[in-house]
Amino acid sequence: EADIYQTPRYLVIGTGKKITLECSQTMGHDKMYWYQQDPGMELHLIHYSYGVNSTEKGDLSSESTVSRIRTEHFPLTLESARPSHTSQYLCASSDSWPSSGNTIYFGEGSWLTVV
Amino acid sequence: QKEVEQDPGPLSVPEGAIVSLNCTYSNSAFQYFMWYRQYSRKGPELLMYTYSSGNKEDGRFTAQVDKSSKYISLFIRDSQPSDSATYLCAMSRSGGYQKVTFGTGTKLQVIP
Repeated sequence: EADIYQTPRYLVIGTGKKITLECSQTMGHDKMYWYQQDPGMELHLIHYSYGVNSTEKGDLSSESTVSRIRTEHFPLTLESARPSHTSQYLCASSDSWPSSGNTIYFGEGSWLTVV
Repeated sequence: QKEVEQDPGPLSVPEGAIVSLNCTYSNSAFQYFMWYRQYSRKGPELLMYTYSSGNKEDGRFTAQVDKSSKYISLFIRDSQPSDSATYLCAMSRSGGYQKVTFGTGTKLQVIP
């Protein structure tokens, strides 16, 4: 079982508020990811990290930002939430790149609703 | 056109049936092929992965890859109500950082 944790699981917040979605993994993985998933749609990569102090934007443009100060921690921040940010956000990690046959482990997701 | 196409379902089958889930893709450079299972309100978990073409079996699950047809399948034998979930195919190219492209998922319901 994967040891990757996301908080909060569910969040309803007003427009304009700042939010941070927390993600922690205890597997010592270098690679971490944030995906966005809307109901019935495919997962879209919005951010990833090679390791400490590295962050990159993914395929889907996002107004969120991430940081990687510690190996185990990869928080995602929205400075000013809007209804268009309503979605499920999935944090994930892997020991190495998935293209080398390494498994991506996912957290249980954070469901964000902006009203 | 999406790189990966997957029938969203839903697919309803009786308990004990053999289930076939499929994806087609357009990028011939894909080398790694994966199937994830996602229960409602949970994150995806890896079920199977295969490299290049061929079959792979794990218990009641069999993954097949046909690169010549750009077609992958997941078979579930003796399906159980606990198999009710959304099944996502995923694939990537090999070497260094390569993004993983996911299908939209097929929702499966196994009826007791």
